[in-house]
Amino acid sequence: NAGVTQTPKFRVLKTGQSMTLLCAQDMNHEYMYWYRQDPGMGLRLIHYSVGEGTTAKGEVPDGYNVSRLKKQNFLLGLESAAPSQTSVYFCASSLTSSGLYGYTFGSGTRLTVV
Amino acid sequence: DAKTTQPTSMDCAEGRAANLPCNHSTISGNEYVYWYRQIHSQGPQYIIHGLKNNETNEMASLIITEDRKSSTLILPHATLRDTAVYYCIVRVLNFGNEKLTFGTGTRLTIIP
Repeated sequence: NAGVTQTPKFRVLKTGQSMTLLCAQDMNHEYMYWYRQDPGMGLRLIHYSVGEGTTAKGEVPDGYNVSRLKKQNFLLGLESAAPSQTSVYFCASSLTSSGLYGYTFGSGTRLTVV
Repeated sequence: DAKTTQPTSMDCAEGRAANLPCNHSTISGNEYVYWYRQIHSQGPQYIIHGLKNNETNEMASLIITEDRKSSTLILPHATLRDTAVYYCIVRVLNFGNEKLTFGTGTRLTIIP
């Protein structure tokens, strides 16, 4: 049981390049989330999904797009990367909408935009 | 969601109980208290949560004061692997409230 798997683990992009971060969970969770964490700060919610085919904006959605075509996968896209998007990105999933049983997080993707 | 206040850092001797406090004086009646931890550069890990009553699981105990304005996370026998940043989060459990707000937490260092 892998839990939540994020790929890639590390990436360096040039300004203006695009990329997609993949999050996969094998727990049959309905709800999935993308967070970013900047040095010395807590996590901030980018986008989330309450089920297959649905997405919604979080706290800091600008510059990102997401898709949830399959229940087990949640993709985060950067269409034109900017240095301000240098961060560690965490994906999470939860069984219920309220996260009553806790969120399961992936190990993170460290992205540097130069 | 109510704001929480935690000490920036704490030390605890290995083998002793680590007691991490959290103040949430503006908590409302339908808000739960959650604890997560983040071990160096890894994703946050769920520890425990509670509403009114004290809770215990295989990882920790959560003590919530009767007025619910503060709580304490207890790691009964701290090990070096418990060195991490611990986050106390207060939130309402309802559909649509998907934002799990992490503050800066308490950096707990276990001393050999």
